Amino acid sequence: DQQVKQNSPSLSVQEGRISILNCDYTNSMFDYFLWYKKYPAEGPTFLISISSIKDKNEDGRFTVFLNKSAKHLSLHIVPSQPGDSAVYFCAASSNSGNTPLVFGKGTRLSVIA
Amino acid sequence: DTGVSQNPRHKITKRGQNVTFRCDPISEHNRLYWYRQTLGQGPEFLTYFQNEAQLEKSRLLSDRFSAERPKGSFSTLEIQRTEQGDSAMYLCASSQLQASYNEQFFGPGTRLTVL
Repeated sequence: DQQVKQNSPSLSVQEGRISILNCDYTNSMFDYFLWYKKYPAEGPTFLISISSIKDKNEDGRFTVFLNKSAKHLSLHIVPSQPGDSAVYFCAASSNSGNTPLVFGKGTRLSVIA
Repeated sequence: DTGVSQNPRHKITKRGQNVTFRCDPISEHNRLYWYRQTLGQGPEFLTYFQNEAQLEKSRLLSDRFSAERPKGSFSTLEIQRTEQGDSAMYLCASSQLQASYNEQFFGPGTRLTVL
């Protein structure tokens, strides 16, 4: 039973446009959500996070939105750049973010110049 | 570089052999996690330590797997009698326990291939 779901295996976006990556979760105990970016042959790199007490967190070109009632979060990247091409993982944690992370399967983003 | 480091980066072994991986966390991070990632999947939790205490083990961690963090600094993950199904990327992450909401920072991983 997958507790964190990323239903889009891949996404292609033109350079300069907005990229929207989606993530759904089923466990209502999750209270901390993170996005990681992964290049081939490297470990995941932390990108941005949000706690359940917020509904939006912004860091430069990256914004994460959390809809607790829908158990849904999304990552917006604007404007998208070719260097953003990577696999993006959504992850979740509970107990004020102190439990091991549960990851989705990832979405491969391709930003086309 | 003060990030998480893992050694070796790649390991090829024959079925039935034992392998050991090492992880050096970010200095002063008191939590250390091991995850495993297979093709097309996200990382899956294996086990984690707070200082030298192993706090939780996933059901994925069979009795052929053992992890240690003897002095609360680096950690080792050993797989005995490797099987082809053990082929995966083994990832280590560390974090600093705070009151809440601590990010985990990952190392580059050790890719294991069991022939």
